[in-house]
Amino acid sequence: DSGVTQTPKHLITATGQRVTLRCSPRSGDLSVYWYQQSLDQGLQFLIQYYNGEERAKGNILERFSAQQFPDLHSELNLSSLELGDSALYFCASSPPKAGYTFGSGTRLTVV
Amino acid sequence: GDSVTQMEGPVTLSEEAFLTINCTYTATGYPSLFWYVQYPGEGLQLLLKATKADDKGSNKGFEATYRKETTSFHLEKGSVQVSDSAVYFCALSDQGSGYALNFGKGTSLLVTP
Repeated sequence: DSGVTQTPKHLITATGQRVTLRCSPRSGDLSVYWYQQSLDQGLQFLIQYYNGEERAKGNILERFSAQQFPDLHSELNLSSLELGDSALYFCASSPPKAGYTFGSGTRLTVV
Repeated sequence: GDSVTQMEGPVTLSEEAFLTINCTYTATGYPSLFWYVQYPGEGLQLLLKATKADDKGSNKGFEATYRKETTSFHLEKGSVQVSDSAVYFCALSDQGSGYALNFGKGTSLLVTP
């Protein structure tokens, strides 16, 4: 157990739908990073939150959004889902430079 | 922008063979460098890291040295085991991107008995 908790582990949904992925960082970590892993794009950084505030944005689509709550858990919202959004979504938490700890991921399948 | 280039796989080795996976990077600042490993069906695990030039990261028999002059961070292991079969990712992070990780495409390693 890495200490970073992601739920659900698997999600199957239809095109056009909206889903929410949840991440709880390790105790004491203020940063949460979201990544998408797909066969064609590899591992791509989506967005970072630090202590409730958006800190950095990567290749995140406008249909996707995220937030971090006062208890530091984060949610990634994916809407108007397309087949190409099928991927593994990871979150990671970390203090800077220390090496990131990843959760076990949520596998999203859009049908 | 920052980028990481890894040698393409798959790499197939016999048990006890020597492993090298090449990784080079492009960065405007002074990044930290990482190797992550992903076993089948699992998430990413930090294998080793180096935060400044000439640092050597090591873990579980794997080593990599941060070479600023050649912008490289090659992963090596003297004697691989079947249990090392996995996908290996080289990554960098720096202050300019909020320390988000920028990954290479990954190198798949298969070790045969």
